[in-house]
Amino acid sequence: EVQLVESGGGLVQPGGSLRLSCVASGFTFSSYWMHWVRQAPGKGLVWVSRINSDGSSTSNADSVKGRFTISRDNAKNTLYLQMNSLRAEDTAVYYCARYQPFYGSDIWGQGTMVTVSS
Amino acid sequence: DMQMTQSPSTLSASVGDRVTITCRASQSISSWLAWYQQKPGKAPKLLIYKASSLESGVPSRFSGSESGTEFTLTISGLQPDDFATYYCQQYNSYPWTFGQGTKVEIK
Repeated sequence: EVQLVESGGGLVQPGGSLRLSCVASGFTFSSYWMHWVRQAPGKGLVWVSRINSDGSSTSNADSVKGRFTISRDNAKNTLYLQMNSLRAEDTAVYYCARYQPFYGSDIWGQGTMVTVSS
Repeated sequence: DMQMTQSPSTLSASVGDRVTITCRASQSISSWLAWYQQKPGKAPKLLIYKASSLESGVPSRFSGSESGTEFTLTISGLQPDDFATYYCQQYNSYPWTFGQGTKVEIK
């Protein structure tokens, strides 16, 4: 079964750090670009970050530039999001998603909740 | 950044109704538009890609169309399982952007 499973969310104080993980199974992880998308409580979907298949190229939303870093370990079939200098407005469910050229994001994880609060 | 303006924000409909949701891009996105369905507490599910192509396994009552920079999702014969929130998304250029969402409610 093709699936993505996120983990690593939780409660963190403003200014703190957290690392999210997304483990892929059922497909050749190293062949796909991957993305992180977040959704604040009761709000819409917002694209956060993307990485190409071998990890050599990344792109981030302006709202997280300089604070979040996307990376991957193809040997472990795992995508990461390192989040530093967290703010209250980063509170959201974070989804990882597989990107297929032409198709868009066809596979999504179940999401992991990040709460930034003192 | 590319702006995606989605309307309406809420839609009340009955089972069997034909429902239309519209998304307008602020500039050309060359048909690189997807539609997703999201239910409470769940991840988005891809319905339509490349503006009008139906994702495998998605019922044929869902369809997408485009006219210039205006894109439409149509549900022909609303079913109980279709009450959810729908989002459009452009993947023509970064940053990817989503519409604000349309919640389809039971009338």
